[in-house]
Amino acid sequence: EIGLTQSPGTLSLSPGERATLSCRASQSVTSSYLAWYQQKPGQAPRLLIYGASSRATGIPDRFSGSGSGTDFTLTINRLEPEDFAVYYCQQYGSSPITFGQGTRLEIK
Amino acid sequence: QITLKESGPTLVKPTQTLTLTCTFSGFSLSTSGVGVGWIRQPPGKALEWLALIYWDDNKRYSPSLKSRLTISKDTSKNQVVLTMTNMDPVDTATYFCAHRNLNSGWFDPWGQGTLVTVSS
Repeated sequence: EIGLTQSPGTLSLSPGERATLSCRASQSVTSSYLAWYQQKPGQAPRLLIYGASSRATGIPDRFSGSGSGTDFTLTINRLEPEDFAVYYCQQYGSSPITFGQGTRLEIK
Repeated sequence: QITLKESGPTLVKPTQTLTLTCTFSGFSLSTSGVGVGWIRQPPGKALEWLALIYWDDNKRYSPSLKSRLTISKDTSKNQVVLTMTNMDPVDTATYFCAHRNLNSGWFDPWGQGTLVTVSS
């Protein structure tokens, strides 16, 4: 089973700043089969990024994903008030599917 | 437009069996490559994948919960059913179902989720 460790646990930033979220895998993620989701309180997760770097439909271009192997990054440029939420990474290249423990992005 | 919605009991007693139904629209589980997954989230905690079922009735389960889970589909009703036996208070969580394509692998979109509390 591939373990995913997200860091930091909580990130405190101000609107307009850049957020950099990390997801590290315990072993290489097959073919960069890594996704990122955003979850707001009381809501279901929303797909942001798939294939490590492809934006899902309707996702603003201030969201970008990068990385390969065991190290992946979600970058959010020019933070908007609606971006403050919890972010999860997920690998789907190996069974079982696994999720990271999440990074909470909060307003400073 | 793809939508999914979970339904089932909000409260179950320890040792009971939980049965959840995911009713969806906008796609068919008879279409090649299509799948539906279940994921849960204990209050304030992370997401945990539980099970998957595909158009060809291929099923996958989380190894840690495999002995307790059964997933099935009713293509004519556009429903997927998840049963979990021997419920325990640690199984208290919001249970989500989500659309998955075999060729893509990510979950999109998700249902709104249903909170299940396990308590006597």
